[in-house]
Amino acid sequence: AQSVTQLGSHVSVSEGALVLLRCNYSSSVPPYLFWYVQYPNQGLQLLLKYTSAATLVKGINGFEAEFKKSETSFHLTKPSAHMSDAAEYFCAVLGNAGGTSYGKLTFGQGTILTVHP
Amino acid sequence: EPEVTQTPSHQVTQMGQEVILRCVPISNHLYFYWYRQILGQKVEFLVSFYNNEISEKSEIFDDQFSVERPDGSNFTLKIRSTKLEDSAMYFCASRYPDSLNEQFFGPGTRLTVL
Repeated sequence: AQSVTQLGSHVSVSEGALVLLRCNYSSSVPPYLFWYVQYPNQGLQLLLKYTSAATLVKGINGFEAEFKKSETSFHLTKPSAHMSDAAEYFCAVLGNAGGTSYGKLTFGQGTILTVHP
Repeated sequence: EPEVTQTPSHQVTQMGQEVILRCVPISNHLYFYWYRQILGQKVEFLVSFYNNEISEKSEIFDDQFSVERPDGSNFTLKIRSTKLEDSAMYFCASRYPDSLNEQFFGPGTRLTVL
């Protein structure tokens, strides 16, 4: 069974600083990994996804993530934080039980990103 | 841009009452999902639905829960007899039939059981 762990329920950065949100996964099969963002009172929006192509994945709003199989990690980064990045971020892995995937996502606990001036 | 919509945005109900949460998925999508998020906890998978039947469900999705696609556009989640612990944000999602494709999420319905 797949699982995801996000280290740090809250991360606070200054505007312009590097953003690093950590995600580690556990999967018995090659994983498909996702980062979603949730702004207040909105649904989950896909930031980026890893589907076994390039290990460095670029997403929307300047975010990127690197898949590292040796570390079972998929950390999300952004070189320079903006006030509008303040939101909750979720890492997720796509279920693939027995080779059949109906698209069940298993989420991490979420990380709330605060950006201060 | 097409989006998933959910109604109501907030539902308050008494314990033991039935509730129906409604979702309108994106029109050409064929896979549908419900997830929930109890305050302060992870987003959890409840059920997936394809070709007019449940394709996968979690252990949370017991006999008190049911899903339906009554008219080809709506996708509903019914809780027959609500419990206090059903209080959560419920998200609907849909996707086009490609396992690599994005699930599009609705804004959620906050269910409060008193």
